[in-house]
Amino acid sequence: DIVMTQSPDSLAVSLGERATINCKSSQTILYSLNSKNYLAWFQQKPGQPPKLLIYWASMRESGVPDRFTGSGSGTDFTLTISSLQAEDVAVYYCQQYYTTPRAFGQGTKVEIK
Amino acid sequence: QVQLVQSGAEVKKPGASVKVSCKASGYTFTGYHIHWVRQAPGQGLEWMGWINPNSGGTNNVRKFQGRVTMTGDTSISTAYMELSRLRSDDTAVYYCARDKSAATVTTPGYWGQGTLVTVSS
Repeated sequence: DIVMTQSPDSLAVSLGERATINCKSSQTILYSLNSKNYLAWFQQKPGQPPKLLIYWASMRESGVPDRFTGSGSGTDFTLTISSLQAEDVAVYYCQQYYTTPRAFGQGTKVEIK
Repeated sequence: QVQLVQSGAEVKKPGASVKVSCKASGYTFTGYHIHWVRQAPGQGLEWMGWINPNSGGTNNVRKFQGRVTMTGDTSISTAYMELSRLRSDDTAVYYCARDKSAATVTTPGYWGQGTLVTVSS
């Protein structure tokens, strides 16, 4: 099974500053035949279901602000929030959908410094 | 608009079974896989499996095999997840989620509101 590991577990960032979350898969999730990375990022606010932010590692879901950017390939991926806003306080999860089981990372809690 | 409305909270005793429903609207039910994901209190997300509502085919995590049954009723656009032989560590919020893609099974794109299942004697 593929294991997804996020770092850090939590981070505190000042409003307007950049937040960077890393996600590493235990094996490649890049499918060579279509050159797509099978990785998604989710945002979960307290008491709410998760919300899809990014798919195919870098495609922003409709309606997601452009301050959220996904990058990376193969086994190493990053979610960047370019200018943290108060409403971005949440737990962020990566998930691979290259194979089953569809493993999630353990989550990264983002707070305001 | 796509909506997934789940059944209400449940309290069950150890050893019992629970069946959570997920009523879909706003799209063609048979066109997208439904994922089931659970989240224990204060913990992360755990993917449980999916069902293809068109074929009825399922794919479940090994740890749940023999205990979980995922089904769908296309006549009422509703998916179900039944978990049997409940244990205290099955206490969690259970989410259904529609896949993002119609072409193939990928990742959850639209989520239900969640159903809290509490297992306690």
